[in-house]
Amino acid sequence: ETGVTQSPTHLIKTRGQQVTLRCSSQSGHNTVSWYQQALGQGPQFIFQYYREEENGRGNFPPRFSGLQFPNYSSELNVNALELDDSALYLCASSNRGVDEKLFFGSGTQLSVL
Amino acid sequence: KQEVTQIPAALSVPEGENLVLNCSFTDSAIYNLQWFRQDPGKGLTSLLLIQSSQREQTSGRLNASLDKSSGRSTLYIAASQPGDSATYLCAVYQAGTALIFGKGTTLSVSS
Repeated sequence: ETGVTQSPTHLIKTRGQQVTLRCSSQSGHNTVSWYQQALGQGPQFIFQYYREEENGRGNFPPRFSGLQFPNYSSELNVNALELDDSALYLCASSNRGVDEKLFFGSGTQLSVL
Repeated sequence: KQEVTQIPAALSVPEGENLVLNCSFTDSAIYNLQWFRQDPGKGLTSLLLIQSSQREQTSGRLNASLDKSSGRSTLYIAASQPGDSATYLCAVYQAGTALIFGKGTTLSVSS
């Protein structure tokens, strides 16, 4: 049990809609990262937050945005959904300054129709 | 740009066999390398983390090695069991970036 929880577990949206995915980090962790995993692929880095500031971003357009809150929970927002956004979205937390080991949640499966 | 490749993409073995999964990366300037397990539609479970200064790590029936200079890592699974069936992902971490993953090796162990 990693202690990282994500909600919802599954979500169906239509093209053009907006979606918010949520993540609660493991207790004591100050860093959260979001990854997108398409079917049959490895996870791709979206962005990372450290102490409520974005601290790194992968090759994703600005319609992918995020927030990290004082309690270290986090949100991933995606605007103007496209069919290719259908994927498993994974949240991972870690304790920067202690070690770099990531603990992943079970993910949110997003389907865009 | 760092690229991570895993071979084979899929592997089927009978129960009890020892097996090796391979991972290669193009840029040897890594901070650490991690092996993860992923069950279908689920999140990732960290199996082993090898720091760049280390050569190998062991946990139970699992042993991971790292040869940074050649850009290679192997995950050795001893006495495989049906419960080992899953996708195994290799990922490298470079300072100032995020984890970069391979596409994984899907393992099926038959009883």
